[in-house]
Amino acid sequence: AAGVIQSPRHLIKEKRETATLKCYPIPRHDTVYWYQQGPGQDPQFLISFYEKMQSDKGSIPDRFSAQQFSDYHSELNMSSLELGDSALYFCASTHEASVNEQFFGPGTRLTVL
Amino acid sequence: GENVEQHPSTLSVQEGDSAVIKCTYSDSASNYFPWYKQELGKRPQLIIDIRSNVGEKKDQRIAVTLNKTAKHFSLHITETQPEDSAVYFCAASRGPLSGGYNKLIFGAGTRLAVHP
Repeated sequence: AAGVIQSPRHLIKEKRETATLKCYPIPRHDTVYWYQQGPGQDPQFLISFYEKMQSDKGSIPDRFSAQQFSDYHSELNMSSLELGDSALYFCASTHEASVNEQFFGPGTRLTVL
Repeated sequence: GENVEQHPSTLSVQEGDSAVIKCTYSDSASNYFPWYKQELGKRPQLIIDIRSNVGEKKDQRIAVTLNKTAKHFSLHITETQPEDSAVYFCAASRGPLSGGYNKLIFGAGTRLAVHP
């Protein structure tokens, strides 16, 4: 069965650079959630999209922006990167017509030097 | 605000023993309570979930109980095996809600070590 795809899997950036993380949900899933997981921490909700519109917003810095495109993939854009942005970034997809279960992608490990 | 507390933070058991992890949530509107197992550097994997209209659910060696009045839910793993060693997260959400409002609020995690 198709799973959530995230790219790139690993990313190394310098401070103050920008980064773009991509998420491709399971086919026919119309909702995407982004989570940030720092070392030794629990995943923290950043932002969600449903039918290409932003739905809910969590602890996402103003330096970050995101969108969902017509094919339902989503991109998380991160600017003016800081050392503290180093983390695992997961996206999860779900279909609103079904149950609550969110299917997580493999994550992107971002390292800011 | 929305918060999920999880205890203990670390748990060490001998193979074959039982392990219990407990969580408490603050948002009374929460209706969905999943448990995830996460190995180092990997994605969280759903192992069991429970909805607010059910008090207990079991799947082989894993069971979850929910006390909505007390806002407590617990994970029980019986006959633990070394491969059960991982970090376990509880979570809560207000689902099912339409429109992308089912964000998960996670507990801080429990590092379970099962010794042969």
